[in-house]
Amino acid sequence: EVQLVESGGGLVQPGGSLRLSCVGSGFIFSNYWMSWVRQAPGEGLEWVANIKQDGSERNYVDSVKGRFTISRDNDKNSLYLQMNSLRADDTAVYFCARGRTLGYWGQGALVTVST
Amino acid sequence: QSALTQPASVSGSLGQSITISCTGTSSDVGGYNYVSWFQQHPGKAPKLMIYEVTNRPSGISTRFSGSRSGNTASLTISGLQAEDEADYYCSSYTTGIRVVFGGGTKLTVL
Repeated sequence: EVQLVESGGGLVQPGGSLRLSCVGSGFIFSNYWMSWVRQAPGEGLEWVANIKQDGSERNYVDSVKGRFTISRDNDKNSLYLQMNSLRADDTAVYFCARGRTLGYWGQGALVTVST
Repeated sequence: QSALTQPASVSGSLGQSITISCTGTSSDVGGYNYVSWFQQHPGKAPKLMIYEVTNRPSGISTRFSGSRSGNTASLTISGLQAEDEADYYCSSYTTGIRVVFGGGTKLTVL
């Protein structure tokens, strides 16, 4: 059974940093593109970033470029999102998703940016 | 990276069919075969219903179908059931292997 489990969410002050993790199981992690998608409270889905199987290609939505970094460790079946210079409008549930079709999703990690 | 355009809400009666549209441009919906549809129930993670414009993942009911004409993709749900009531999102690849979502459509089953 394919599973994706996010962790690392929490409350952080504006300007602070947070690192999200996503561990995959039940599939060959290194075979898939991986993505982060977020959803602000009561809002729609917003794609944040994706990374190629070997980490050689990374893409970001304009609003997080220069602040967020996506990375992966295939030996640990893990995907990461390093979030720096956090703003109030980064408050959201962050989901990791598998593959170019976003075929499987984790349950999400809540990130709250507030004083 | 503008969001794709979806109707905010649609409704249909049990057993009827509905269609949700998703309008983009030639740089996304009209230019790539990576158009997908997702179903999301309150408090749950999104679930892939249609990928690559017309394909259903294993386990997804044949009542769900996808199509595209030009820069507009569509999701049709036939034989509406109570459990179909949810939010639906389209997505597409766009330039630079980025992804853009639609604003979402709330489906109400009457």
